[in-house]
Amino acid sequence: QSALTQPASVSGSPGQSITISCIGTSSDVGSYNLVSWYQQHPGKAPKLMIYEGTKRPSGVSNRFSGSKSGNTASLTISGLQAEDEADYYCCSSAGSGTWVFGGGTKLTVL
Amino acid sequence: QLQLQESGPGLVKPSETLSLTCTVSGGSISSARYYWGFIRQPPGKGLEWIGNMYYSGYTHHNPSLKSRVTISVETSKNQFSLKLSSVTAADTAVYYCASLRDHYFDYWGQGILVTVSS
Repeated sequence: QSALTQPASVSGSPGQSITISCIGTSSDVGSYNLVSWYQQHPGKAPKLMIYEGTKRPSGVSNRFSGSKSGNTASLTISGLQAEDEADYYCCSSAGSGTWVFGGGTKLTVL
Repeated sequence: QLQLQESGPGLVKPSETLSLTCTVSGGSISSARYYWGFIRQPPGKGLEWIGNMYYSGYTHHNPSLKSRVTISVETSKNQFSLKLSSVTAADTAVYYCASLRDHYFDYWGQGILVTVSS
């Protein structure tokens, strides 16, 4: 069970859109539409932003969206705002009741 | 809405057993809707799933930690617990408890830093 692959960092200016990729394998991301995304500000617990690939929990801005193609899941944030600056993690089922996280991506809002 | 709170020692000696408890409020740990899990985050690093337990006792563990991990539930106290044996400095991390609903971790505790050091 290896960690999912995410870029270490991405950046964008306010108002722009960015996309964070999450590359897995046919044993995790590719097999299940069960990718979730979490936002983590420094010193805080992670917060669920997207679940089951594309769904947003109540209260999460519609500027956040998720998608998947093959073994790669993606999180897109449109209309970047300063408060979006945080670390983002993807997570996928890896089968047999197990779960695997990505290595995390640091988003910088320029 | 669920609230989760981790508790336990912040310092554990190498080769000893790390023990943490997560107290759930705002809902029953016996709910059929949830698994209950632990995730950890070494300082400056990413998240690592440790394991989950259903209230009935059914558990799943990270294969890389499986032989050292025990997760148990105390329904009468609405708590679940983690024991990680034979710890080393590599087990130093912030440990989170979380609720796993269907296929996502929806509620998280605030986290507790556990340092392994003599």
